[in-house]
Amino acid sequence: SYEVTQPPSVSVSPGQTARITCSGDALPKRYAYWYQQKSGQAPVLVIFEDSKRPSGIPERFSASTSGTLATLTISGAQVEDEADYYCYSTDITGNRNWVFGGGTKLTVL
Amino acid sequence: EMQLEESGGDLVQPGESLRLSCVASGFPFSRYWMTWVRQAPGKGLEWVANIKFDGHERNYVDSVKGRFTISRDNANNSVYLQMNSLSAEDAAVYYCARDRYDMDVWGKGTTVTVS
Repeated sequence: SYEVTQPPSVSVSPGQTARITCSGDALPKRYAYWYQQKSGQAPVLVIFEDSKRPSGIPERFSASTSGTLATLTISGAQVEDEADYYCYSTDITGNRNWVFGGGTKLTVL
Repeated sequence: EMQLEESGGDLVQPGESLRLSCVASGFPFSRYWMTWVRQAPGKGLEWVANIKFDGHERNYVDSVKGRFTISRDNANNSVYLQMNSLSAEDAAVYYCARDRYDMDVWGKGTTVTVS
């Protein structure tokens, strides 16, 4: 079955730029989506269709895709950005069989 | 305000069945696909199943095929997840979400314990 792969953890100091990657063979043809999940809470959509930001998501959140690699960038990370981040996509068939990456724990301290 | 509220989570024994419900409000439910996502304790998110707005297409993750059934009742703005032959691997918080390809509205989740 299809998989997308993330690093388990990323750590930055406040104000630095955090980059979280997601690798998947179908990403050149399928959108990547990104979710933020803080401890004990439901996930929140922070990026859709590779690089679009929903209303209410701070401008410091951005994303891009190049080939088989999608990257979520948090410019000037803040302490409140500490969370688990998940990429989400589908396989090359485009059927609505979705898969999450394993998640990346972002530590900001 | 758009909202989703799950219910039905419980403590069950291995092999038993459970039916989860999710009620939507604040948006035209019948126009949207709906999805169930689960999260085992201390683990990541796992997409479980989705259903087309008219109920005529359903998809499942391989690990639940043949055991779980997703359904919906558009008249009552509700989506369901019937779970049979439950095992310890199914223990998780189960979230329902509005599915536009992205999932932009989530419930708070309901907890299924298998022991």
